[in-house]
Amino acid sequence: DSGVTQTPKHLITATGQRVTLRCSPRSGDLSVYWYQQSLDQGLQFLIQYYNGEERAKGNILERFSAQQFPDLHSELNLSSLELGDSALYFCASSSGTGGPDTQYFGPGTRLTVL
Amino acid sequence: GNSVTQMEGPVTLSEEAFLTINCTYTATGYPSLFWYVQYPGEGLQLLLKATKADDKGSNKGFEATYRKETTSFHLEKGSVQVSDSAVYFCALSSFSGNTGKLIFGQGTTLQVKP
Repeated sequence: DSGVTQTPKHLITATGQRVTLRCSPRSGDLSVYWYQQSLDQGLQFLIQYYNGEERAKGNILERFSAQQFPDLHSELNLSSLELGDSALYFCASSSGTGGPDTQYFGPGTRLTVL
Repeated sequence: GNSVTQMEGPVTLSEEAFLTINCTYTATGYPSLFWYVQYPGEGLQLLLKATKADDKGSNKGFEATYRKETTSFHLEKGSVQVSDSAVYFCALSSFSGNTGKLIFGQGTTLQVKP
């Protein structure tokens, strides 16, 4: 158990809909990262938050947004969903103190868009 | 930009065979290098890491040495077990732009047969 929790575990929805994925980092970790794992794109970095503020953006679509709340949990919002958004979405957390700190991954949320 | 290339899978071995999974990288500066493992239906777990040239990371019988001259971080294990069957990801983090985001290789599936 990494200490990172993600809900829900599975999500099935229709095209055009909007969903919210939730992540709770390990106790004490200030950084939260979101990654997308799909068969065609592999594992790709989406976005990072550090102590409530956006720190880095990767290949995140404009239809996607995220935030980190004062209690440090994070939410990834996906809107106007398309079939191609079906993927496994991982959240990871780290202490965020800088340097080569380890990222601990949650179990992921599997999103299926029908 | 930074990138990671792993050998294509799947790799199929008999129990107690020697394992090598090749990983090479392209990066500016001095990245940290990681191997993550993903067991079926689970999230990613850190297997080992190395933060500077010539460092050797090791865990659970797996080893990898950070070779700057060949820009490589090959994963090895002397005697694999059926329980090692999983997908293995090589990743780097360059910490440029004050972010520890991970850049992953495409993953290598390992199947170990009894």
